[in-house]
Amino acid sequence: GNSVTQMEGPVTLSEEAFLTINCTYTATGYPSLFWYVQYPGEGLQLLLKATKADDKGSNKGFEATYRKETTSFHLEKGSVQVSDSAVYFCALSPNQAGTALIFGKGTTLSVSS
Amino acid sequence: DTAVSQTPKYLVTQMGNDKSIKCEQNLGHDTMYWYKQDSKKFLKIMFSYNNKELIINETVPNRFSPKSPDKAHLNLHINSLELGDSAVYFCASSQAQGIIYEQYFGPGTRLTVT
Repeated sequence: GNSVTQMEGPVTLSEEAFLTINCTYTATGYPSLFWYVQYPGEGLQLLLKATKADDKGSNKGFEATYRKETTSFHLEKGSVQVSDSAVYFCALSPNQAGTALIFGKGTTLSVSS
Repeated sequence: DTAVSQTPKYLVTQMGNDKSIKCEQNLGHDTMYWYKQDSKKFLKIMFSYNNKELIINETVPNRFSPKSPDKAHLNLHINSLELGDSAVYFCASSQAQGIIYEQYFGPGTRLTVT
């Protein structure tokens, strides 16, 4: 079956620190991978995506590379800001009509100045 | 120009009541979903509709009934509300881009049952 495992939080960093949030997946077939972000009191926003092996998704200084050999999609940012404080979700789509996203449990990031 | 909208944003009600949450998308997508986010932020699919046809119906109590009057709307009706129904409910929509199904989420409805 399909599943997503992401590192437990919370992650607490100082401003300008380097961020890594680990995500690994189990999937049959050729899934697409996503990172969503949920800011306090808001809905989920798509942060970045990758649709095939070795693709790198990037947005707002965040990056993640689809690694088929290690079944991973780790999220990284070189220098976090206070405004990056949010919950980050790694998700997998089996790429079939009508199928749901499979989410990791979310990682809370707290950045202090 | 909101892509996926939900009403209401907050819903506070008493046990035993019946309530509905409405969702509309103006993206022209053909698939819509309901997800439930629990107090630990875990997201789980409840239902999905493709062109008004029910595709996913996860193991949820039959007190929950989705209705899709057209491709742009997916409503969620909940009968006999229980304390455990308190959660944030997210609507989402998607459209195939090749084989990629990128989902767009609404702002969520926070349901509190007292």
